[in-house]
Formats: sequence, structure tokens, C-alpha cells
Amino acid sequence: NAGVTQTPKFRVLKTGQSMTLLCAQDMNHEYMYWYRQDPGMGLRLIHYSVGEGTTAKGEVPDGYNVSRLKKQNFLLGLESAAPSQTSVYFCASSRDRGDTQYFGPGTRLTVL
Amino acid sequence: EDQVTQSPEALRLQEGESSSLNCSYTVSGLRGLFWYRQDPGKGPEFLFTLYSAGEEKEKERLKATLTKKESFLHITAPKPEDSATYLCAVLTSMFSGGYNKLIFGAGTRLAVHP
Repeated sequence: NAGVTQTPKFRVLKTGQSMTLLCAQDMNHEYMYWYRQDPGMGLRLIHYSVGEGTTAKGEVPDGYNVSRLKKQNFLLGLESAAPSQTSVYFCASSRDRGDTQYFGPGTRLTVL
Repeated sequence: EDQVTQSPEALRLQEGESSSLNCSYTVSGLRGLFWYRQDPGKGPEFLFTLYSAGEEKEKERLKATLTKKESFLHITAPKPEDSATYLCAVLTSMFSGGYNKLIFGAGTRLAVHP
């Protein structure tokens, strides 16, 4: 089992460019999450999904969109990147809403 | 306002010098508290879940405890390989959109020197 995987590991964008981050899990989990991690702050939830075909806004959703067309995949999109979106992005998944969340290795994004 | 605070922000220990990390919380109903370990450039790795005051969990040199207002992660005789950032996260009873809110602390950076 690979657990939770994320691609790419690193990315540099110019302001205004778009990109998509891919998260995949092989644990058959219903719930999936996208977080961002910034220095001195706790992980903050961007968007989440409670099952295939569903998405919902988290704490800091502005500037991001998500899709979950397949149960095992959760995509995070940036339509027009801004320097404030420079961060490390983590995907996580859990079996149910109160269960342990398992994290991927992260994507370091820099927006110039 | 729901809040999770970890202290200290950073801790430096000598190998073998036991200590404790603190996670204090003020939330609207606790459903569980999670501890994670995060190595540089990696994702958080699950360590423990605690559900009620008085509960304790152990794993090798780590022991997590929970009270009604805080949790401690005790590290006994640490080794250099225990160096990492330790995160705590509180699962609240606030339920919306099929999701129970999970609030993360900012973490404690632990460095254990030989």
C-alpha cells in the first residue's frame, strides 16, 4: 500500500498562472482533505470531500477549486496563482469523519 | 473561539534528557485529540489518538496523556532520531457539511543532540 501520494513534489509558478495538484489514496477512504501549512501556523483546511462526487469549503477556500470524480483521487486547482498561495500543500484521507487522517508527503509551491 | 496552542515552540534536549510537550485547547466539545510527528520535508505521521480525560497511550519512548484542558506528550530518554516537529490536533463536536472540525496546533520543534 502506497497510502496517500501527491504529485508534483515541487512547483514554481508565476503570478496569474494556473495549476492542478493531484492526490491519490489506495486505502478506500471516503473522506479526503486538502490543507496548507505555513510557518508558525497550524495546518489549515482548504477544501474537503465526504465521498466521490462531493466537495465542500474548509477554512481557507478562496482562490482554490477542487474535484473528486473518482473515490481515490482528489484534485486541487489554482486558477490564477498569487504570491499569498506560496505554501506547502498536504492531502489527507480518512475512513470516516471522526477517524484518523493519513497524510501525503506534500507539495511545495512557490508563486513568484 | 476554538483554539489549540502548543508549547514550547522549540525544544532542545540532550540525548537521554526526558521532557514533555504541551498541547492546550479551548474548543466547543472534544471528540478526540491526535498527535502527529512531522519530519522536515515530509507529511505528518500519525502517532496517537486520545478520546477522554485520563486516557494514556504509549509507543516506544513516547507517552501521550489527556486532561480536560490539555494533552502532554512525554518523551523518555530521547534519542537523536526523535528529532522532529510534533503536532497535535483536536477533533471538535462542531459538525457541518458532513465534517467534524479538526483544529491543528502550530507544533513543537524538538531537537535531540547526542
